[in-house]
Amino acid sequence: NAGVMQNPRHLVRRRGQEARLRCSPMKGHSHVYWYRQLPEEGLKFMVYLQKENIIDESGMPKERFSAEFPKEGPSILRIQQVVRGDSAAYFCASSPPTDTDTQYFGPGTRLTVL
Amino acid sequence: GNSVTQMEGPVTLSEEAFLTINCTYTATGYPSLFWYVQYPGEGLQLLLKATKADDKGSNKGFEATYRKETTSFHLEKGSVQVSDSAVYFCALHSGGYQKVTFGTGTKLQVIP
Repeated sequence: NAGVMQNPRHLVRRRGQEARLRCSPMKGHSHVYWYRQLPEEGLKFMVYLQKENIIDESGMPKERFSAEFPKEGPSILRIQQVVRGDSAAYFCASSPPTDTDTQYFGPGTRLTVL
Repeated sequence: GNSVTQMEGPVTLSEEAFLTINCTYTATGYPSLFWYVQYPGEGLQLLLKATKADDKGSNKGFEATYRKETTSFHLEKGSVQVSDSAVYFCALHSGGYQKVTFGTGTKLQVIP
């Protein structure tokens, strides 16, 4: 059973461009979480999604950030008009239905905004 | 709200030394507690967990005991190796499909 997959692993964007980060949860997991890790800091929750639904987006910045988890395909975290402060590692996690306490993390996407 | 406080690093130890990384938490109800490890340039790996008071989680020589009376979940290892050099995150989860609350991480460097 493959783990949580994220791509790309590294993404470089210039200010004002869009960044799209993808996350494929583990097989059988229908709950996805996105976290952001700023340099030298811990992880901060951004958003929790189930298939076709946003359950909790309390950690998402109000502007430029959006997330989706369509019925088919990976979850997407989209950042429009990126700024230097968006440079961070973005981690996706998923939970199995039989163990909702435990989240399994992907390797992360490291976004660098020039 | 929930919060996790862990000792600041970096922590530098010689190989085979004893390791303790302190972690305390604030939460409503009965959270599950976790330690995650992040090796340089990689994502987070679950190291160990405990789901109720007095439970001891253990893995790869690391262990931590869920102490409800002191709201603590300190990470210990009797003899560290150079390969243990990483950032360690204490975290809690309130149950169900909810977000995980992380501490700020403690960087451990083990020197030969």
